Amino acid sequence: DAGVTQSPTHLIKTRGQQVTLRCSPKSGHDTVSWYQQALGQGPQFIFQYYEEEERQRGNFPDRFSGHQFPNYSSELNVNALLLGDSALYLCASSSRGGQATDTQYFGPGTRLTVL
Amino acid sequence: AQTVTQSQPEMSVQEAETVTLSCTYDTSESNYYLFWYKQPPSRQMILVIRQEAYKQQNATENRFSVNFQKAAKSFSLKISDSQLGDTAMYFCAFMYSGGGADGLTFGKGTHLIIQP
Repeated sequence: DAGVTQSPTHLIKTRGQQVTLRCSPKSGHDTVSWYQQALGQGPQFIFQYYEEEERQRGNFPDRFSGHQFPNYSSELNVNALLLGDSALYLCASSSRGGQATDTQYFGPGTRLTVL
Repeated sequence: AQTVTQSQPEMSVQEAETVTLSCTYDTSESNYYLFWYKQPPSRQMILVIRQEAYKQQNATENRFSVNFQKAAKSFSLKISDSQLGDTAMYFCAFMYSGGGADGLTFGKGTHLIIQP
């Protein structure tokens, strides 16, 4: 049973560019949450997708957007990249809209470096 | 909004010792869950233990147990008989039980090093 997978593993971009990160949830899961983890910090919640809709958003600007596909996989898009967007981006999958009683399974992350 | 504070950036203990990691949180909610997550050097975050706020009994998972003090808003993790494989970043996290849409709120983490 494949767990949560993310691609690519590493990415280097320059300021002002746009980036797309991808996530495939664990088998049987229908909910995907995205987190940003800056170096030396805990992950910060960006947003969650369930039933192909963004349900809730953390304190992140509109430059951060996403999408969920019918197969439950998800993309995170970041436009107009800033140096401060350099971080590890984590995807977590769960079921039933991410209830607290359901374990969130994390992927290995995508390391984004903005130069 | 809730906040989670971990006041120990790094801890180091000898193998087989017992270690306790501290976490405090602040929230106006009464129904919530607390979690400890482990992030080994390979980066994949895994759930260690979960505590429901309305349950007075402290959660236990094998060598891992918590001391949940709701009035003090304290949620510490005790690791007994520590092993080299316990070396990792440990994050305390909060989730409102009204729905998971708000995601997890994490602390800054504690880097735990188990020395041979």
